Amino acid sequence: GDSVTQMEGPVTLSEEAFLTINCTYTATGYPSLFWYVQYPGEGLQLLLKATKADDKGSNKGFEATYRKETTSFHLEKGSVQVSDSAVYFCALRGSKGGGGSNYKLTFGKGTLLTVNP
Amino acid sequence: EAQVTQNPRYLITVTGKKLTVTCSQNMNHEYMSWYRQDPGLGLRQIYYSMNVEVTDKGDVPEGYKVSRKEKRNFPLILESPSPNQTSLYFCASSSLSGGAGGYTFGSGTRLTVV
Repeated sequence: GDSVTQMEGPVTLSEEAFLTINCTYTATGYPSLFWYVQYPGEGLQLLLKATKADDKGSNKGFEATYRKETTSFHLEKGSVQVSDSAVYFCALRGSKGGGGSNYKLTFGKGTLLTVNP
Repeated sequence: EAQVTQNPRYLITVTGKKLTVTCSQNMNHEYMSWYRQDPGLGLRQIYYSMNVEVTDKGDVPEGYKVSRKEKRNFPLILESPSPNQTSLYFCASSSLSGGAGGYTFGSGTRLTVV
């Protein structure tokens, strides 16, 4: 079945450092890929998405490129801020089959990011 | 404001006492789903619904029930809660049209079963 593997945390960085959180996936067909962010005590918010190969999703300075050849969707940000401290989840929505299986989001285990001043 | 509303936010209960966590969305979404989040396991799908009166099991449905009598509401029912159902629960919704959209999540319900 579909699966998502993202780098283990926690990740601790200083403000203005460069961020990469690796994410790879296993899925048949052409899934859509997402990054969600969860701030402390809150629900998940969609950060960015990409729906086909070579698409680049971007939002709030974060970027991720859908790489079908390496089945990857790594999250990057050039200069992190303290306010970026959160848990980040990589997820995919499959393209195989019909009905409910086509709409299920499969998540990675999450990566806790802490940014220090 | 478009949102998914869950209640309660926090709940402590005793083993075996039936409980319901409510979920409501105001976006006219057809698809709704429940997830549980556990440390080291990420989010796992419990149940989902494609529309009114259409529900199906996700990856971890044991011990849970759902219903979808109205499009906006998708309650999660624990008939006889056990301590291994202590978790953080999220309700989410999505449109079935308009391409590969993501989900809109509620703020979560932290459930403790003692």
